[in-house]
Amino acid sequence: GAGVSQSPRYKVTKRGQDVTLRCDPISSHATLYWYQQALGQGPEFLTYFNYEAQPDKSGLPSDRFSAERPEGSISTLTIQRTEQRDSAMYRCASSPDRVGNTIYFGEGSWLTVV
Amino acid sequence: KNEVEQSPQNLTAQEGEFITINCSYSVGISALHWLQQHPGGGIVSLFMLSSGKKKHGRLIATINIQEKHSSLHITASHPRDSAVYICAVRLTGNQFYFGTGTSLTVIP
Repeated sequence: GAGVSQSPRYKVTKRGQDVTLRCDPISSHATLYWYQQALGQGPEFLTYFNYEAQPDKSGLPSDRFSAERPEGSISTLTIQRTEQRDSAMYRCASSPDRVGNTIYFGEGSWLTVV
Repeated sequence: KNEVEQSPQNLTAQEGEFITINCSYSVGISALHWLQQHPGGGIVSLFMLSSGKKKHGRLIATINIQEKHSSLHITASHPRDSAVYICAVRLTGNQFYFGTGTSLTVIP
């Protein structure tokens, strides 16, 4: 695609529900990153993929968070049993190279847990 | 503990002023990125630096690896430069740490 596309752009969910966010990176980009950005804060690293491999998921805040990129293109970020503190923007970014020399960010998915 | 510190947090300038935003980091890095976040929320990558200096239009970015410090300069600032500028460092393992951003407002 022309850019990194994320969906949904806005999601309101009740506490305890599961949520899945989707990222469609730029076509053929090797690396895909997920970040969490709280209001007024800079992004915080969650995890990244090199194609379908997930070398680092150390930034995931708890085992309620998981991410997949099964075919090395589209990725999903799933938050199980959502809590209010999960409310944030979740950003996806992709890079054509394996080390993130050039990064393209998506518009983000705003998640509000009520 | 913040691996990446930016200063100032907020900056207001008159149109035409020369602007400097600073970034200091405490970890070993393979590269540093300067990002621009627009009021609508979109993030654009401005520069990727691993040494020295880069220039793009009115924007100049420098990095001193020994001092673990980078600066972003904007010459002849313009209201359209108003945005949040974020410093991000990439570790050797491809993990990124981000600063909390510098909110710049340029007044006509």
